[in-house]
Amino acid sequence: SYVLTQPPSVSVAPGKTARITCGGNNIGSKSVHWYQQRPGQAPVLVIYYDSDRPSGIPERFSGSNSGNTATLTISRVEAGDEADYYCQVWDSSSDHLYVFGAGTKVTVL
Amino acid sequence: QVQLVESGGGVVQPGRSLRLSCAASGFTFSRYAMHWVRRAPGKGLEWVAVKSNDGSYKYYADFVKGRFTISRDNSKNTLFLQMNSLRAEDTAVYYCATKGIVAAGTFDYWGQGTLVTVSS
Repeated sequence: SYVLTQPPSVSVAPGKTARITCGGNNIGSKSVHWYQQRPGQAPVLVIYYDSDRPSGIPERFSGSNSGNTATLTISRVEAGDEADYYCQVWDSSSDHLYVFGAGTKVTVL
Repeated sequence: QVQLVESGGGVVQPGRSLRLSCAASGFTFSRYAMHWVRRAPGKGLEWVAVKSNDGSYKYYADFVKGRFTISRDNSKNTLFLQMNSLRAEDTAVYYCATKGIVAAGTFDYWGQGTLVTVSS
């Protein structure tokens, strides 16, 4: 089945830029979606189709996808961005069809 | 606004059954497919099942095939997950989520989840 690989954690100072990677075999050929889950809250879609933002998501959140790596970038990081972030793809050949990465914990220093 | 409210979670012994519900409002429920997703303690998100708006398809993750059944009642704007033969590893917060309101293939809106604990 298709596997998405994320770093377990990323630490960033307020006002700086956080980059969260999501690795997968030829992931650039797939549409990647990103979700934010703050502690005790429901997940929220923050990026879809690699780089589109849903209504209400700040422009500080951006995405890219090429080759074997997709990246979620959070610019001018704020304390409220501290959360778990998950990448996700649809893979028709996978046992699970909808595949999530293991998640990355973003800590704001 | 879209609102999803899960219910039905609780503590259940291994091998027993539980039925989860997800009450939807704020959108035309009968037009969209719906998912169940779970998050086990200390683990990440894991897709469980999806059902189309009109019942034409439903798919399951391998680890629940033959044990869980997804269904829906469009007249009551409600999604269900019947969970049988529960195992300790099914312990998780279960979320319902919409499919395709924002974009195809995404989990657009999520409920707050309901906790299922499988323990003797």
